[in-house]
Amino acid sequence: DIQMTQSPSSLSASVGDRVTITCRAGQNIRNYLNWFQQKPGKAPKLLIYAASSLQSGVPSRISGSGSGTDFTLTISSLQPEDSATYYCQQSYSTPYTFGRGTKLEI
Amino acid sequence: EVQLVESGGGLVQPGGSLRLSCAASGFTFNSYWMHWVRQAPGKGLLWVSRINGDGRRTTYADSVKGRFTISRDNAKNTLYLQMNSLRAEDTAVYYCARDPDYNGFSFMDVWGKGTTVTVSS
Repeated sequence: DIQMTQSPSSLSASVGDRVTITCRAGQNIRNYLNWFQQKPGKAPKLLIYAASSLQSGVPSRISGSGSGTDFTLTISSLQPEDSATYYCQQSYSTPYTFGRGTKLEI
Repeated sequence: EVQLVESGGGLVQPGGSLRLSCAASGFTFNSYWMHWVRQAPGKGLLWVSRINGDGRRTTYADSVKGRFTISRDNAKNTLYLQMNSLRAEDTAVYYCARDPDYNGFSFMDVWGKGTTVTVSS
């Protein structure tokens, strides 16, 4: 199984800040990397697919980058509604695996 | 409106069985791969299984292989997860999710709200 390591596990930031969450894959997954946002009691929401493609309807202040083993999710100009847990997930091979999540508090 | 609605969750004893359903609407169901993903209380996301559009190709997480069966009825636009030999560690919210498999990239772009499975005596 491909292990996905996210960091940090939690962070606190302020409205207007820029934050970066990193995700490292245990092997080369090319750009088969997706990012999700999940709020308490809600289903996950797709933000980024194929490492850097923005899902329709997701604000452009959210971006993804990376390839191979190292990936980042960046949220520029944080808004209160960005408070959530963020997960990376590899879709290079099954079993698809998720990172443990990064809890972002604003 | 594109929508996925799970049902069938509940309380079941260890060793018991349960069948989850996921009713799809608003899109051409048989054109999409579908997944089940679960989340234990207070924990992260765990991918469980996937099935292709015609139902002939399935894959499972090792933790459920041989106990869970994913299937679909394209005439009814419904995805299923038959869960047998349930264990306490299967307790979780179970989500179904759609996968457009766009340009060879697999990603879950639409999710249901989830159904809760509790395995306890």
